[in-house]
Amino acid sequence: ELKVEQNPLFLSMQEGKNYTIYCNYSTTSDRLYWYRQDPGKSLESLFVLLSNGAVKQEGRLMASLDTKARLSTLHITAAVHDLSATYFCAVDGGSQGNLIFGKGTKLSVKP
Amino acid sequence: SQTIHQWPATLVQPVGSPLSLECTVEGTSNPNLYWYRQAAGRGLQLLFYSVGIGQISSEVPQNLSASRPQDRQFILSSKKLLLSDSGFYLCAWSRLARENSPLHFGNGTRLTVT
Repeated sequence: ELKVEQNPLFLSMQEGKNYTIYCNYSTTSDRLYWYRQDPGKSLESLFVLLSNGAVKQEGRLMASLDTKARLSTLHITAAVHDLSATYFCAVDGGSQGNLIFGKGTKLSVKP
Repeated sequence: SQTIHQWPATLVQPVGSPLSLECTVEGTSNPNLYWYRQAAGRGLQLLFYSVGIGQISSEVPQNLSASRPQDRQFILSSKKLLLSDSGFYLCAWSRLARENSPLHFGNGTRLTVT
């Protein structure tokens, strides 16, 4: 059974601090996706990582993928309150494009 | 550009009543379509996906069903709702998997079964 595990599941940060969210998965997938969900809202695609060693950055968020370790990280630099949300990683669940999601990391950035 | 519409946004239904949630995609043809459910405080569970008209794959056996009567229309139904059907239902679309495109989600339907 394909498993996608994120940690931590809850993260309370102070503004200005750095932190990393980890995503481990059990398949040999070489594609990984990161999404953001604001409370009561839908999911917004953040990053698509397509190969081993892929790194993508958008503002204060940087995602990387190590397919050999089956690990992706989402690094937060100098957190600000606007980053408060739940972050999900996901991997391919089969040949039809469906994704298997982790349980999400609820991030709260406090002043 | 492509857009995905999902309705209604919220729904309160009594136990045993029927359900019909609709999702349509604009600006693309032959998309893969998906229904996910997110229970309160939990991750996303894939319910159904479709790669073409009339082609439905079910991931979780339950009292829900899905149909794709048109290329860009995906419908989630139930004949009799259960309390456990409460949750946040998300429709999503993607291009073919080989194009490495992410899933694009609709705004979701929050269903409360009372």
